Amino acid sequence: EPEVTQTPSHQVTQMGQEVILRCVPISNHLYFYWYRQILGQKVEFLVSFYNNEISEKSEIFDDQFSVERPDGSNFTLKIRSTKLEDSAMYFCATQDQRHQETQYFGPGTRLLVL
Amino acid sequence: QQQVKQSPQSLIVQKGGISIINCAYENTAFDYFPWYQQFPGKGPALLIAIRPDVSEKKEGRFTISFNKSAKQFSLHIMDSQPGDSATYFCAATHPHTDKLIFGTGTRLQVFP
Repeated sequence: EPEVTQTPSHQVTQMGQEVILRCVPISNHLYFYWYRQILGQKVEFLVSFYNNEISEKSEIFDDQFSVERPDGSNFTLKIRSTKLEDSAMYFCATQDQRHQETQYFGPGTRLLVL
Repeated sequence: QQQVKQSPQSLIVQKGGISIINCAYENTAFDYFPWYQQFPGKGPALLIAIRPDVSEKKEGRFTISFNKSAKQFSLHIMDSQPGDSATYFCAATHPHTDKLIFGTGTRLQVFP
């Protein structure tokens, strides 16, 4: 069964450093999402991306965050200057059709900012 | 208005018992309600979903009951098994967005 993959599985970084989280969507999926889950808390939406542009973003997704599909396959989330409170599990999700279709989640990247 | 409230936070059930997890929402524009199952170290995976035009949906041992007037929906796991031990999230979305709004999660433990 096709699956979403994410790399790295774990990342430890120093506060103020830039990190890039990578996602390989399911082939032929067109809609892409990033969510995050702070330890012990609920999954929160960060951003949705379609047709090479952001469709929607949450208030969490400030100027320190950016997303792109640099090579038409990978979907990346960049955090320019990490803060302690960015420590969380970051999930990529992809979807075939718009709205009310299954969002398939990757296994996540656990980010720890020291 | 955008919140989905979920209870209980944790649930312990004996093998063969029924697990019931409840969710409530306020935004009447919500029109799609999926349940996700998450095992430790894994991403959430869609378990079952319902739209508000039906009051119940059953897939195997998993049933969603939906009460539109009360703005509540629940997941019932019949004949709960140790392999069902996971965290369960309800979620909702509406026509003007594709983002999923998740509940706070319920950690289910099924003991033999």
